[in-house]
Amino acid sequence: EVQLVESGGGLIQPGGSLRLSCVASGFTVSRYYMSWVRQAPGKGLEWVSVIYRGGHTEYGDSVKGRFTISRDTSKNTLYLQMDSLRAEDTALYYCARDREGSDIWGQGTMVTVSS
Amino acid sequence: DIQLTQSPSFLSASVGDRVTITCRASQDISVYLAWYQQKPGKAPKLLIYAASTLQGGVPSRFSGSASGTEFTLTISSLQPEDFATYYCEQVNSYPHSFGPGTKLESK
Repeated sequence: EVQLVESGGGLIQPGGSLRLSCVASGFTVSRYYMSWVRQAPGKGLEWVSVIYRGGHTEYGDSVKGRFTISRDTSKNTLYLQMDSLRAEDTALYYCARDREGSDIWGQGTMVTVSS
Repeated sequence: DIQLTQSPSFLSASVGDRVTITCRASQDISVYLAWYQQKPGKAPKLLIYAASTLQGGVPSRFSGSASGTEFTLTISSLQPEDFATYYCEQVNSYPHSFGPGTKLESK
């Protein structure tokens, strides 16, 4: 079965760091563009980051310089390292397989930034 | 960066109605637009990509079209399971961006 399962979310203080993981099954992460998308409580979708098949990365303006996307091909896992977290980063974070649109999504992992 | 607007923000309709949602891009994105359906507590579901291509398994009552920088999602005959929030996403260039969403509610 093709699926994505995120983990690593939680409650973190402002300025802290967190690493999200997204384990893929049924397909190989390195053969696709893979993205992170987030959704603040009660709000719309916000695109966060992508990693290309070749390893190039792109980021949204709101997270550039603070977040780092990566992958481990041996574990077929996508990561999002989040540093210098702010209250406005509070959201449900989804990983997704990015083609002409994201056709596979995980269930999301919640990140709450609060003191 | 490319901005997307959606209209309307809220839409009340009845089962059987024909419904149209519009998404406008701030610049040319060719046909690189996707539509998603999201229900409460669930991840978004891809409905249409490349502006008008139906994702596998999506009912044929959903259709998409494009005219310049204006894109439309049409549901030909609304079913009870279609009440949800709909988002467009431009996939022409990074950073990708989503429209603010259209909440489709039962009248």
